[in-house]
Amino acid sequence: NAGVTQTPKFQVLKTGQSMTLQCAQDMNHNSMYWYRQDPGMGLRLIYYSASEGTTDKGEVPNGYNVSRLNKREFSLRLESAAPSQTSVYFCASSYSWDFEPLHFGNGTRLTVT
Amino acid sequence: ILNVEQSPQSLHVQEGDSTNFTCSFPSSNFYALHWYRWETAKSPEALFVMTLNGDEKKKGRISATLNTKEGYSYLYIKGSQPEDSATYLCASPKAAGNKLTFGGGTRVLVKP
Repeated sequence: NAGVTQTPKFQVLKTGQSMTLQCAQDMNHNSMYWYRQDPGMGLRLIYYSASEGTTDKGEVPNGYNVSRLNKREFSLRLESAAPSQTSVYFCASSYSWDFEPLHFGNGTRLTVT
Repeated sequence: ILNVEQSPQSLHVQEGDSTNFTCSFPSSNFYALHWYRWETAKSPEALFVMTLNGDEKKKGRISATLNTKEGYSYLYIKGSQPEDSATYLCASPKAAGNKLTFGGGTRVLVKP
Protein backbone atom coordinates (compact mmCIF):
# COMPACT_ATOMS: atom_id res chain seq x y z
CA ASN A 1 0.00 0.00 0.00
CA ALA A 2 1.92 3.05 -1.27
CA GLY A 3 -0.42 5.74 0.13
CA VAL A 4 0.38 9.13 -1.42
CA THR A 5 3.25 9.18 -3.91
CA GLN A 6 4.88 12.40 -5.08
CA THR A 7 7.41 12.83 -7.84
CA PRO A 8 10.04 14.12 -8.14
CA LYS A 9 11.61 14.29 -4.67
CA PHE A 10 14.02 17.05 -5.63
CA GLN A 11 14.11 19.53 -8.48
CA VAL A 12 16.20 22.54 -9.42
CA LEU A 13 14.78 24.97 -11.97
CA LYS A 14 15.97 28.16 -13.53
CA THR A 15 13.75 31.22 -13.41
CA GLY A 16 11.18 31.00 -16.19
CA GLN A 17 11.29 27.24 -16.63
CA SER A 18 8.16 25.17 -16.22
CA MET A 19 7.53 21.86 -14.52
CA THR A 20 4.78 19.62 -13.22
CA LEU A 21 4.73 17.97 -9.82
CA GLN A 22 2.92 14.68 -9.86
CA CYS A 23 0.84 13.20 -7.07
CA ALA A 24 -1.05 9.91 -6.94
CA GLN A 25 -2.93 8.18 -4.14
CA ASP A 26 -4.15 4.60 -3.96
CA MET A 27 -6.55 4.96 -1.01
CA ASN A 28 -9.66 5.82 -3.04
CA HIS A 29 -9.74 9.25 -1.44
CA ASN A 30 -12.10 11.88 -2.78
CA SER A 31 -10.18 15.03 -1.80
CA MET A 32 -6.64 16.00 -2.74
CA TYR A 33 -4.51 19.01 -1.83
CA TRP A 34 -1.27 20.79 -2.61
CA TYR A 35 0.51 22.64 0.20
CA ARG A 36 3.79 24.48 0.32
CA GLN A 37 5.97 24.72 3.39
CA ASP A 38 8.28 27.65 3.95
CA PRO A 39 10.36 28.45 7.04
CA GLY A 40 8.27 30.32 9.59
CA MET A 41 5.14 30.07 7.43
CA GLY A 42 3.82 26.63 8.26
CA LEU A 43 1.79 24.77 5.63
CA ARG A 44 -0.09 26.96 3.18
CA LEU A 45 -2.74 25.61 0.84
CA ILE A 46 -2.07 26.25 -2.85
CA TYR A 47 -4.96 24.40 -4.51
CA TYR A 48 -7.31 21.63 -3.57
CA SER A 49 -9.76 19.29 -5.21
CA ALA A 50 -12.71 18.38 -3.02
CA SER A 51 -13.77 15.64 -5.42
CA GLU A 52 -12.94 14.32 -8.85
CA GLY A 53 -13.72 16.92 -11.47
CA THR A 54 -13.45 19.94 -9.17
CA THR A 55 -10.55 22.18 -8.22
CA ASP A 56 -10.40 25.38 -6.22
CA LYS A 57 -7.88 27.95 -5.09
CA GLY A 58 -6.32 27.90 -1.67
CA GLU A 59 -4.43 30.63 0.17
CA VAL A 60 -1.51 31.06 -2.26
CA PRO A 61 -2.58 30.01 -5.79
CA ASN A 62 -0.75 32.65 -7.85
CA GLY A 63 1.79 31.18 -10.25
CA TYR A 64 0.35 27.67 -10.10
CA ASN A 65 -2.18 25.56 -11.97
CA VAL A 66 -3.59 22.16 -11.12
CA SER A 67 -5.24 19.25 -12.85
CA ARG A 68 -7.31 16.53 -11.21
CA LEU A 69 -6.61 13.98 -13.89
CA ASN A 70 -8.77 11.28 -12.32
CA LYS A 71 -9.67 10.21 -8.81
CA ARG A 72 -6.12 9.03 -8.11
CA GLU A 73 -4.00 11.82 -9.57
CA PHE A 74 -3.65 15.53 -8.84
CA SER A 75 -0.83 17.44 -10.51
CA LEU A 76 0.60 20.89 -9.78
CA ARG A 77 2.13 22.92 -12.60
CA LEU A 78 4.48 25.86 -12.44
CA GLU A 79 4.26 27.59 -15.82
CA SER A 80 7.10 30.06 -15.29
CA ALA A 81 9.05 29.35 -12.13
CA ALA A 82 10.18 32.21 -9.91
CA PRO A 83 12.65 32.22 -7.00
CA SER A 84 9.69 32.92 -4.66
CA GLN A 85 8.43 29.45 -5.50
CA THR A 86 11.44 27.83 -3.88
CA SER A 87 9.80 25.67 -1.24
CA VAL A 88 8.93 22.18 -0.13
CA TYR A 89 5.70 21.02 -1.71
CA PHE A 90 3.41 18.43 -0.12
CA CYS A 91 0.55 16.63 -1.72
CA ALA A 92 -2.14 15.21 0.55
CA SER A 93 -5.39 13.32 0.24
CA SER A 94 -8.39 12.45 2.41
CA TYR A 95 -11.83 10.86 2.16
CA SER A 96 -13.44 14.22 2.82
CA TRP A 97 -12.30 17.79 3.28
CA ASP A 98 -13.46 18.24 6.84
CA PHE A 99 -13.88 15.23 9.10
CA GLU A 100 -11.24 12.90 7.73
CA PRO A 101 -7.48 13.20 8.36
CA LEU A 102 -5.08 14.10 5.61
CA HIS A 103 -2.49 11.63 4.37
CA PHE A 104 0.64 13.33 3.11
CA GLY A 105 3.18 12.43 0.48
CA ASN A 106 6.90 12.65 1.19
CA GLY A 107 7.30 16.10 -0.29
CA THR A 108 9.14 17.66 -3.22
CA ARG A 109 11.98 20.06 -2.50
CA LEU A 110 12.04 22.64 -5.28
CA THR A 111 14.76 25.24 -5.76
CA VAL A 112 14.36 28.00 -8.35
CA THR A 113 17.55 29.88 -9.15
CA ILE B 1 -9.94 34.83 15.67
CA LEU B 2 -9.88 34.76 11.88
CA ASN B 3 -7.03 32.29 11.45
CA VAL B 4 -5.75 29.20 13.14
CA GLU B 5 -3.13 30.15 15.71
CA GLN B 6 -0.83 28.04 17.84
CA SER B 7 1.15 28.90 20.93
CA PRO B 8 3.86 28.77 21.90
CA GLN B 9 5.86 28.59 18.69
CA SER B 10 8.41 26.36 20.39
CA LEU B 11 9.13 24.83 23.75
CA HIS B 12 11.84 22.78 25.37
CA VAL B 13 10.81 19.99 27.72
CA GLN B 14 12.92 17.87 30.00
CA GLU B 15 12.56 14.14 29.45
CA GLY B 16 9.90 12.77 31.76
CA ASP B 17 8.10 16.08 32.17
CA SER B 18 4.60 16.67 30.87
CA THR B 19 3.67 19.60 28.68
CA ASN B 20 0.76 21.14 26.82
CA PHE B 21 0.18 23.75 24.16
CA THR B 22 -2.71 25.52 22.50
CA CYS B 23 -4.48 25.79 19.18
CA SER B 24 -6.99 28.64 18.71
CA PHE B 25 -9.45 28.65 15.83
CA PRO B 26 -12.59 30.48 14.70
CA SER B 27 -15.43 29.26 16.89
CA SER B 28 -18.19 30.31 14.50
CA ASN B 29 -19.40 27.61 12.06
CA PHE B 30 -17.06 25.07 13.59
CA TYR B 31 -16.59 21.88 11.56
CA ALA B 32 -13.64 19.96 12.91
CA LEU B 33 -10.20 20.36 14.43
CA HIS B 34 -7.26 18.29 13.24
CA TRP B 35 -3.96 17.61 15.04
CA TYR B 36 -0.85 16.39 13.21
CA ARG B 37 2.62 15.40 14.31
CA TRP B 38 5.49 16.36 11.99
CA GLU B 39 8.96 14.98 12.56
CA THR B 40 11.94 16.58 10.87
CA ALA B 41 12.57 15.27 7.35
CA LYS B 42 9.29 13.37 7.35
CA SER B 43 5.71 14.12 6.37
CA PRO B 44 2.98 15.24 8.77
CA GLU B 45 1.02 12.36 10.30
CA ALA B 46 -2.50 12.67 11.66
CA LEU B 47 -3.00 12.34 15.41
CA PHE B 48 -6.65 13.26 15.94
CA VAL B 49 -9.69 14.69 14.24
CA MET B 50 -12.08 16.19 16.78
CA THR B 51 -15.60 17.35 16.11
CA LEU B 52 -17.61 17.59 19.35
CA ASN B 53 -17.39 20.24 22.05
CA GLY B 54 -15.82 18.71 25.14
CA ASP B 55 -14.32 15.88 23.11
CA GLU B 56 -11.16 14.31 24.45
CA LYS B 57 -8.98 11.96 22.43
CA LYS B 58 -5.93 9.96 23.45
CA LYS B 59 -3.16 8.16 21.63
CA GLY B 60 -0.55 6.67 23.91
CA ARG B 61 0.92 9.49 25.99
CA ILE B 62 -0.62 12.19 23.79
CA SER B 63 -4.11 13.51 24.37
CA ALA B 64 -6.18 16.45 23.18
CA THR B 65 -9.23 18.35 24.36
CA LEU B 66 -11.61 20.55 22.42
CA ASN B 67 -13.67 23.62 23.33
CA THR B 68 -15.66 24.68 20.28
CA LYS B 69 -17.60 27.43 22.05
CA GLU B 70 -14.48 29.41 22.90
CA GLY B 71 -12.43 28.18 19.95
CA TYR B 72 -9.45 26.38 21.42
CA SER B 73 -7.90 22.93 21.73
CA TYR B 74 -5.11 21.74 24.00
CA LEU B 75 -2.62 19.02 23.16
CA TYR B 76 -0.98 17.28 26.11
CA ILE B 77 2.12 15.11 26.18
CA LYS B 78 2.51 13.10 29.36
CA GLY B 79 5.98 12.01 30.45
CA SER B 80 7.74 13.42 27.37
CA GLN B 81 10.30 11.25 25.62
CA PRO B 82 12.99 12.29 23.08
CA GLU B 83 10.95 10.60 20.33
CA ASP B 84 8.16 13.11 21.02
CA SER B 85 10.36 15.84 19.58
CA ALA B 86 8.47 17.14 16.57
CA THR B 87 6.37 20.01 15.33
CA TYR B 88 2.71 19.65 16.26
CA LEU B 89 0.24 21.21 13.85
CA CYS B 90 -3.43 21.91 14.23
CA ALA B 91 -5.78 22.66 11.36
CA SER B 92 -9.39 23.67 10.91
CA PRO B 93 -11.59 23.73 7.82
CA LYS B 94 -12.80 27.23 7.09
CA ALA B 95 -16.53 27.70 7.16
CA ALA B 96 -16.57 29.41 3.76
CA GLY B 97 -15.01 26.59 1.81
CA ASN B 98 -13.28 23.27 1.80
CA LYS B 99 -9.98 24.70 2.87
CA LEU B 100 -8.14 22.95 5.66
CA THR B 101 -6.07 25.78 7.14
CA PHE B 102 -3.06 25.03 9.31
CA GLY B 103 -1.66 26.92 12.25
CA GLY B 104 2.05 27.74 12.35
CA GLY B 105 2.82 24.79 14.62
CA THR B 106 4.41 24.27 18.02
CA ARG B 107 7.91 22.88 17.83
CA VAL B 108 8.63 20.60 20.79
CA LEU B 109 12.17 19.57 21.72
CA VAL B 110 12.51 16.98 24.47
CA LYS B 111 15.89 17.05 26.14
CA PRO B 112 17.30 13.79 27.54
